[in-house]
Amino acid sequence: GAGVSQTPSNKVTEKGKYVELRCDPISGHTALYWYRQSLGQGPEFLIYFQGTGAADDSGLPNDRFFAVRPEGSVSTLKIQRTERGDSAVYLCASSSAGFTDTQYFGPGTRLTVL
Amino acid sequence: QQPVQSPQAVILREGEDAVINCSSSKALYSVHWYRQKHGEAPVFLMILLKGGEQKGHDKISASFNEKKQQSSLYLTASQLSYSGTYFCGTERNDMRFGAGTRLTVKP
Repeated sequence: GAGVSQTPSNKVTEKGKYVELRCDPISGHTALYWYRQSLGQGPEFLIYFQGTGAADDSGLPNDRFFAVRPEGSVSTLKIQRTERGDSAVYLCASSSAGFTDTQYFGPGTRLTVL
Repeated sequence: QQPVQSPQAVILREGEDAVINCSSSKALYSVHWYRQKHGEAPVFLMILLKGGEQKGHDKISASFNEKKQQSSLYLTASQLSYSGTYFCGTERNDMRFGAGTRLTVKP
């Protein structure tokens, strides 16, 4: 079956622009996670959805970051007024239930803010 | 709070063993181990849910200590395919990953 997919694979934008990153989880997985990973670092937790609701958004760095999952499947991470420090690989993962289950990661979106 | 991993890097010859440690300042609900190869997504290795639990498959195993604040990953008779960066993820209602341990296995 299909794994987690993310689009686009690469995104280059200018400082101050708005970007949307999309994640398609594994079919039937109720839990969805967003992370970002900078070079040489581990994934940094951003937000966790259980179904349609954000169960934990404590990792979002500031109010420029927002994520939705309106139908409990596809999720979009939205970043407003991008800054150079937002450059990273944004990883999405899904699991069948919650944190005690295996998280399957997507290939990531490499965001570069010029 | 991010867990602390040690060592930061290790270089092995094929067939040698390695231990990677992961510690937290707080008791954990679970510990997850992942391996990531350069330019790829992290790949799941195993989850430990209970203090005192040990798990393994092939020649990779892990333990989760009784006080649930430390985990170790054991790689025995390492193979070239084991090369990559190993991350532990610790769960207390969210997921925090360590900075990683870069493992290089040479022929």
